[in-house]
Amino acid sequence: GNSVTQMEGPVTLSEEAFLTINCTYTATGYPSLFWYVQYPGEGLQLLLKATKADDKGSNKGFEATYRKETTSFHLEKGSVQVSDSAVYFCALSARGSTLGRLYFGRGTQLTVWP
Amino acid sequence: EAQVTQNPRYLITVTGKKLTVTCSQNMNHEYMSWYRQDPGLGLRQIYYSMNVEVTDKGDVPEGYKVSRKEKRNFPLILESPSPNQTSLYFCASRFDRGHEQYFGPGTRLTVT
Repeated sequence: GNSVTQMEGPVTLSEEAFLTINCTYTATGYPSLFWYVQYPGEGLQLLLKATKADDKGSNKGFEATYRKETTSFHLEKGSVQVSDSAVYFCALSARGSTLGRLYFGRGTQLTVWP
Repeated sequence: EAQVTQNPRYLITVTGKKLTVTCSQNMNHEYMSWYRQDPGLGLRQIYYSMNVEVTDKGDVPEGYKVSRKEKRNFPLILESPSPNQTSLYFCASRFDRGHEQYFGPGTRLTVT
């Protein structure tokens, strides 16, 4: 089946620290992979995506590389800011799915202190 | 402006009183979904739809109904709400499988 596992939070960092949030997946076929971010009191919005193996998605200083050999899509940022405090969700869209549903991880709460 | 709208944004109701949460998108997207978000459980899909009159169950469909009579609208219906349906609900839409999913602002439902 299709599923996403991401590291449990909460993650607490000081400003300018390096961030990694691990995400691994199980999927039939070759899925598209996404990271979504949810700021306090808001809906989810797309942070970055990758649609095939070895693609790197990037946005706002965040990066993630689609690794087929390790079935992973880890999110990284070299220097976090207080404004990055949010919940981050890893997700996949399975190509074999007839109704194109999206599968989400449970989310990782990130808090950045000044 | 491309967007997904949901109404109401906040709702407090009583057990057993039927309610509908509306969802509308203006991007001509084929795929639409409903999710609920609960602490410690992340985002769980309730129902999804590929196009008009095509819907299917997600992970937690019990106690919910949906309909897709028009491409832009995808209402979520709770025929007899119960307290365990107290949650934050999100509607979402996207053009195709590999494309970005756009989320509505959320509806916070409390059932007493």
